Amino acid sequence: GQNIDQPTEMTATEGAIVQINCTYQTSGFNGLFWYQQHAGEAPTFLSYNVLDGLEEKGRFSSFLSRSKGYSYLLLKELQMKDSASYLCAVMDSNYQLIWGAGTKLIIKP
Amino acid sequence: IAGITQAPTSQILAAGRRMTLRCTQDMRHNAMYWYRQDLGLGLRLIHYSNTAGTTGKGEVPDGYSVSRANTDDFPLTLASAVPSQTSVYFCASSYGTSGYEQYFGPGTRLTVT
Repeated sequence: GQNIDQPTEMTATEGAIVQINCTYQTSGFNGLFWYQQHAGEAPTFLSYNVLDGLEEKGRFSSFLSRSKGYSYLLLKELQMKDSASYLCAVMDSNYQLIWGAGTKLIIKP
Repeated sequence: IAGITQAPTSQILAAGRRMTLRCTQDMRHNAMYWYRQDLGLGLRLIHYSNTAGTTGKGEVPDGYSVSRANTDDFPLTLASAVPSQTSVYFCASSYGTSGYEQYFGPGTRLTVT
C-alpha cells in the first residue's frame, strides 16, 4: 500500500528553527509537495521537490532524498503566524497526490 | 471572483437526502479535484477531472458522483447521504496534472445526521 508518515505534533519556540520530517512509500514518484494549513482554512502551497537536494524559499526550505523515501521541511526564524499544520504529499505514478495526516506545529513565545 | 470558490460554506443534512456541493474556478485550470478531510487522516481524493469532459475515481469514490461539463465548474453530488460522509470537503484545481501545485477552495463543512 501507499503510506506517508509525519509526526502528529511538534512544539517550537518563536525565533527558533524546526525541522518537520516526512517519509513515504508510494507506487511511483512524481514529486513531493509541502502545504501549510491554518486551523479552519484551506491548504496553501509551500514547496515542490522532484529532484534530490534542498530547495530554499525565504524562511522555508525543503529537502528530498528519493533513495531514502524521505523529505523534510525546515522553518527558520519562527513566527507565531507559523503555527499551523504542515502537510506532506507525494504524487504517485497515476499523478494523484497521496497525503500525510499532517504535522501540527505549535509555536510558543 | 478570483481563484476557486465553494458553496455552501457549511450544511447540516439529514441522512438519505441528496446534496450537491458546488465548486467554481476562474483560473482556466485544466485539472480539478474533490477531497475530503477527516480528523487524524490525510486528505483523501474522491474524484478528479484532468480536463473538461473527463472524470476519474480517486481513493474513496463510493457514494459520490461528479461531472465536468465545462472548464470552470466541478460539482460533487452525494446521491443519498450517510453519517460517514460527515467531513470537510475541499475542491482544488491545477493548471496540469504533473508537477503543478493545487489551489484549494475554502471548503464545505458537511454534517450528515
